[in-house]
Amino acid sequence: GQQLNQSPQSMFIQEGEDVSMNCTSSSIFNTWLWYKQDPGEGPVLLIALYKAGELTSNGRLTAQFGITRKDSFLNISASIPSDVGIYFCAGQLPGNQFYFGTGTSLTVIP
Amino acid sequence: SQTIHQWPATLVQPVGSPLSLECTVEGTSNPNLYWYRQAAGRGLQLLFYSVGIGQISSEVPQNLSASRPQDRQFILSSKKLLLSDSGFYLCAGNHGRSLYNEQFFGPGTRLTVL
Repeated sequence: GQQLNQSPQSMFIQEGEDVSMNCTSSSIFNTWLWYKQDPGEGPVLLIALYKAGELTSNGRLTAQFGITRKDSFLNISASIPSDVGIYFCAGQLPGNQFYFGTGTSLTVIP
Repeated sequence: SQTIHQWPATLVQPVGSPLSLECTVEGTSNPNLYWYRQAAGRGLQLLFYSVGIGQISSEVPQNLSASRPQDRQFILSSKKLLLSDSGFYLCAGNHGRSLYNEQFFGPGTRLTVL
């Protein structure tokens, strides 16, 4: 299957700091998605990106679809304790298959 | 908006026993449906996906099978469970024909094979 390289693997930050994570691929994707997963629950969609270069915000979250269509980043500004969780990127190839990154585990220290 | 339901939420089964996990979709028709397995809270592995009733595509060879008997029902099965089948199983759905076709996930089933 496709490989999505997501980094960093884990982050420990102080409350109020900004966070940045990214995904890269060797393949060109039509769609990039960012999810957050809390322990024992299904992933919840945060942001969806559909065009190369697209920059989209959802509250304190901002994500961009890379110009090359092979990468995407997610930024979280002014982190708060409830931001704790695992964040996943997902890319969709032409068709209906999605491929997921390995996840970034975020810990926010109050 | 669509909602994905899964049950059971947790399951403990002995090695060699059969498995049946059910996923149903509410709020949409003719969705694409997906089964993923997640080990140790990281990395979602796509197992099966379906674009319609009776249509199943398998991503990886394994001890599991999937069926789609109805438009909004997707079932994950096994005849004999292995220890390595333990994990967190997630069902997801999306609209195949929509321009905006992001996936939505169910709450998951935690399977422990002993």
